[in-house]
Amino acid sequence: DAGVIQSPRHEVTEMGQEVTLRCKPISGHNSLFWYRQTMMRGLELLIYFNNNVPIDDSGMPEDRFSAKMPNASFSTLKIQPSEPRDSAVYFCASSYPILRTSGIYNEQFFGPGTRLTVL
Amino acid sequence: QKEVEQNSGPLSVPEGAIASLNCTYSDRGSQSFFWYRQYSGKSPELIMFIYSNGDKEDGRFTAQLNKASQYVSLLIRDSQPSDSATYLCAAKTSYDKVIFGPGTSLSVIP
Repeated sequence: DAGVIQSPRHEVTEMGQEVTLRCKPISGHNSLFWYRQTMMRGLELLIYFNNNVPIDDSGMPEDRFSAKMPNASFSTLKIQPSEPRDSAVYFCASSYPILRTSGIYNEQFFGPGTRLTVL
Repeated sequence: QKEVEQNSGPLSVPEGAIASLNCTYSDRGSQSFFWYRQYSGKSPELIMFIYSNGDKEDGRFTAQLNKASQYVSLLIRDSQPSDSATYLCAAKTSYDKVIFGPGTSLSVIP
């Protein structure tokens, strides 16, 4: 399996422009997560989907951010309009449930990330 | 108070020594805990998970969990320069969300 695929790997844009980040999860995984990582704030969960349905978007910073998952093999994170403070590495991760004696846990597999710079 | 806390480091240990990484969490209902390793410029990768009190060993890695103290640790025995990375502690909270700590930077000196 190719793992989680993200594109683009690097994006440089100017303030006010629309940015779209793309993610293809691992085939068969039913959960998908979007994270943002900065030095100041660490790794923050923005939104996650289960079976293509958004479950928790409480981490989305504001209305400028939106995410969609039209099918099990594709998701987008859109920022419109972008601002310099949005500069960060954005990771997509996917997971599937693993049953253990203590219950179910999900191992998240991360994509390589998209490094976004907003000038 | 942050939900998952770690010492940011950097933690420096000589090659061959034991590296000890610590993590505390605030949600007493958290059940599962994870250690991820992240090399500079790369994405996090899962190296250990633990859900029962006590120790869990996997090769040179040992995860320790003490739910009463809300404390998780990761021991790396016989540290190697290739272990130099940032280690992220994560907890699956009682409201079913995985929260990551800020990470501890580890440097293993040859």
